[in-house]
Amino acid sequence: GIQVEQSPPDLILQEGANSTLRCNFSDSVNNLQWFHQNPWGQLINLFYIPSGTKQNGRLSATTVATERYSLLYISSSQTTDSGVYFCAVLTNNDMRFGAGTRLTVKP
Amino acid sequence: DSGVTQTPKHLITATGQRVTLRCSPRSGDLSVYWYQQSLDQGLQFLIQYYNGEERAKGNILERFSAQQFPDLHSELNLSSLELGDSALYFCASSGGPRLADYSLSYNEQFFGPGTRLTVL
Repeated sequence: GIQVEQSPPDLILQEGANSTLRCNFSDSVNNLQWFHQNPWGQLINLFYIPSGTKQNGRLSATTVATERYSLLYISSSQTTDSGVYFCAVLTNNDMRFGAGTRLTVKP
Repeated sequence: DSGVTQTPKHLITATGQRVTLRCSPRSGDLSVYWYQQSLDQGLQFLIQYYNGEERAKGNILERFSAQQFPDLHSELNLSSLELGDSALYFCASSGGPRLADYSLSYNEQFFGPGTRLTVL
């Protein structure tokens, strides 16, 4: 099946710093999602982004489908950004998740 | 609050038992998705239902089954439980019929708070 790799596995930032999270996938996909799981376990859908760039406040994402990767940018990080960020790739009938990037933002 | 509810929040049971997890989607959403999150396997997609019909199947074990009822709530049944089935089980809902619908607004998934299952 399709492989999804996220990097880095762990990231520690000082509040206000910027960061880039990466998601590589091994085959063509129909769509790609980014999720945030907060420290309390709640999953939140951040972006659906099969290709191109989308922005939502301090977060933006870029997917280059032809090169099989996606990037999630977090600018001016806040402590509330802490948690685990997952990417998931979608084919017609399946969805595969990466192992996640654990982000810790220190005040 | 996503509008998706899951019951129970916590469930502790023994190996070999059977449990049922329940999910109520957001009002108006026709699709329900089930996911498992465990320490060993990470996040995995299990199964999707749309308006009562199975639409997509992921890494769901044969001991597990799901259904979506006419009122659109869904149940995930886990039987012959093993220690390795201990996990957080999430339900999500969306308005779209297909797992890989390209339209962002049509298929955005909203997650419930999860049911934590502990098998002793």
